[in-house]
Amino acid sequence: QVRLEQSGAALQKSGASVRLSCKTSGYIFSSYALTWVRQAPGQGLEWIGWISGYSGETSYASKFQDRVSIDVETTTAHLELRHLRSDDTALYYCARVNLTMAFDFWGQGTHVTVSS
Amino acid sequence: EILLTQSPATLSVSPGDRVTLSCRASHNVNGDLAWFQHKPGQAPRLLIYGAYHRAPDIPVRFSGSGSGTDFTLTISSLQSEDSGVYYCQQFNSWPPEYSFGQGTKLE
Repeated sequence: QVRLEQSGAALQKSGASVRLSCKTSGYIFSSYALTWVRQAPGQGLEWIGWISGYSGETSYASKFQDRVSIDVETTTAHLELRHLRSDDTALYYCARVNLTMAFDFWGQGTHVTVSS
Repeated sequence: EILLTQSPATLSVSPGDRVTLSCRASHNVNGDLAWFQHKPGQAPRLLIYGAYHRAPDIPVRFSGSGSGTDFTLTISSLQSEDSGVYYCQQFNSWPPEYSFGQGTKLE
């Protein structure tokens, strides 16, 4: 079955970087894209970026364009967020993007806490 | 950037109610709109994609409609397990850029 397993919680200081991982299994990795979404405490869902599992092509939300990178390594996707701020404290999810561009399977989420 | 506005922000409901949630886009998104259910402590769950296609294993009481800029999610007979926050989401361009509405909370 399709599974997305995310790395454990991270605690970082303001100004540092964090790299999260999303290990996938149960499907042909190159046939689908992956995406990252976050939810800050008390807030709604926020889209961060997208990567093709086939070509590695990426797309990022303009808000994060200058400090985010998404890459893939075999069947694992990584999200790197740089120059962390306190408002980056959130629960970060990865999700598979199916052939209709919908987010059909999700990871369990990774808590990221940014302290000053 | 395409903005999605959901209404109402909060809705008080009871089991058996027919519930209608609205999502309005700032620009035409054609039919590229999805709906998600999100409960505390769980990952979001895809309900509807392509405006009206029900995702696998989603109960038939959930239905989506609309096109262009105005979309609706309808729950025909609310069940107790349907509590949570509902988000609409759109994508456009290539490579794709996505955005979410701010959510509607069912209480």
